[in-house]
Amino acid sequence: EADIYQTPRYLVIGTGKKITLECSQTMGHDKMYWYQQDPGMELHLIHYSYGVNSTEKGDLSSESTVSRIRTEHFPLTLESARPSHTSQYLCASSEGGGGTNEKLFFGSGTQLSVL
Amino acid sequence: KQEVTQIPAALSVPEGENLVLNCSFTDSAIYNLQWFRQDPGKGLTSLLLIQSSQREQTSGRLNASLDKSSGRSTLYIAASQPGDSATYLCAVTPPRDDKIIFGKGTRLHILP
Repeated sequence: EADIYQTPRYLVIGTGKKITLECSQTMGHDKMYWYQQDPGMELHLIHYSYGVNSTEKGDLSSESTVSRIRTEHFPLTLESARPSHTSQYLCASSEGGGGTNEKLFFGSGTQLSVL
Repeated sequence: KQEVTQIPAALSVPEGENLVLNCSFTDSAIYNLQWFRQDPGKGLTSLLLIQSSQREQTSGRLNASLDKSSGRSTLYIAASQPGDSATYLCAVTPPRDDKIIFGKGTRLHILP
């Protein structure tokens, strides 16, 4: 099983603050993803990466940015948080290579509340 | 464009019953199909993965089937327990490193 860690687990912050949500995985997975999910709603892909120095925007427009300087680390940054950014943010990873046995692993999520 | 649909959106059943959750997809060209469980406010936990060449996978009381030609998968839960209450999501992996497509999930509530 892959180990994928997200910190913080919960974050309450004021409008206008810069925040970084951390995501790390220890299995050497090439692919990493950030999803946004409101309570009881569907998952929306906001960013993904297929390897170091590779980042792409997902299906849902987001004011956040990501970086992939190391294989194991995929942080998400909001330069100026707003109440509309209040949501759960889920990080995921998979091995890469496109095989039929490629499984997706999720972290526990960060619940962000912007006041 | 691949679309994944899960019906019903919510389901309540008494404890001990066997139940089936449904997942359908519009494009049969997939690498695999995964079933996930999500508890409120938590991340997703992978339950079963069925490769495109497989028909079913089993883990404990869970059995997932895949019929690519008809674009359907089912998750069978035997002898349901209150601890099975959660949202169950299915997701398909398209070929050529395309992004994984999720359904909206079925919220399952097992009545004690």
